[in-house]
Amino acid sequence: ILNVEQSPQSLHVQEGDSTNFTCSFPSSNFYALHWYRWETAKSPEALFVMTLNGDEKKKGRISATLNTKEGYSYLYIKGSQPEDSATYLCAFEGAQKLVFGQGTRLTINP
Amino acid sequence: NAGVTQTPKFQVLKTGQSMTLQCAQDMNHEYMSWYRQDPGMGLRLIHYSVGAGITDQGEVPNGYNVSRSTTEDFPLRLLSAAPSQTSVYFCASSSPEPRQGRRTEAFFGQGTRLTVV
Repeated sequence: ILNVEQSPQSLHVQEGDSTNFTCSFPSSNFYALHWYRWETAKSPEALFVMTLNGDEKKKGRISATLNTKEGYSYLYIKGSQPEDSATYLCAFEGAQKLVFGQGTRLTINP
Repeated sequence: NAGVTQTPKFQVLKTGQSMTLQCAQDMNHEYMSWYRQDPGMGLRLIHYSVGAGITDQGEVPNGYNVSRSTTEDFPLRLLSAAPSQTSVYFCASSSPEPRQGRRTEAFFGQGTRLTVV
């Protein structure tokens, strides 16, 4: 069973503050690491798909880094806004399967 | 743009009943998967398929069957529903990128909320 762990499980952040959270995954049989954003009552939507060690991706105020040798990825949100409130999922892609972590639930306090 | 379509959106079953959750995608994606979402547990992989005629088990396959007779459709069958199968079910599809040996991002359906009483 693949172990994909996210921390913390939940996070409350003041509007305007920056935050980050972690995804750890197996370092063997690695193909890609995905990040998804999941708003309540909606379906998960992709943020990033990263494949190379040292990869950095950015979309607006959200960015992510990847370390495949040690098996972790960070997601950063700069200057949090209320619309950033969501659950953020990472997923490890290996051997044709996409296995998700349990998610980090982010709440932005106005 | 239909994307990934799941039906039904809601379902209540009695223990022991059987049913099929439908999933269809119109993006010609080769990869399709079924996940269940339970509180505090993220998305857990039930079954997946890398192409028509090919299926495999995920993390939590017991009590579920799948088949993939066409590229578009990937139904999930509950053979004898149990209260432990009360959950929200998501179907997802994606496509491989042969040059890079990986898949593209996954696209999800809207989910099916299943309650077994």
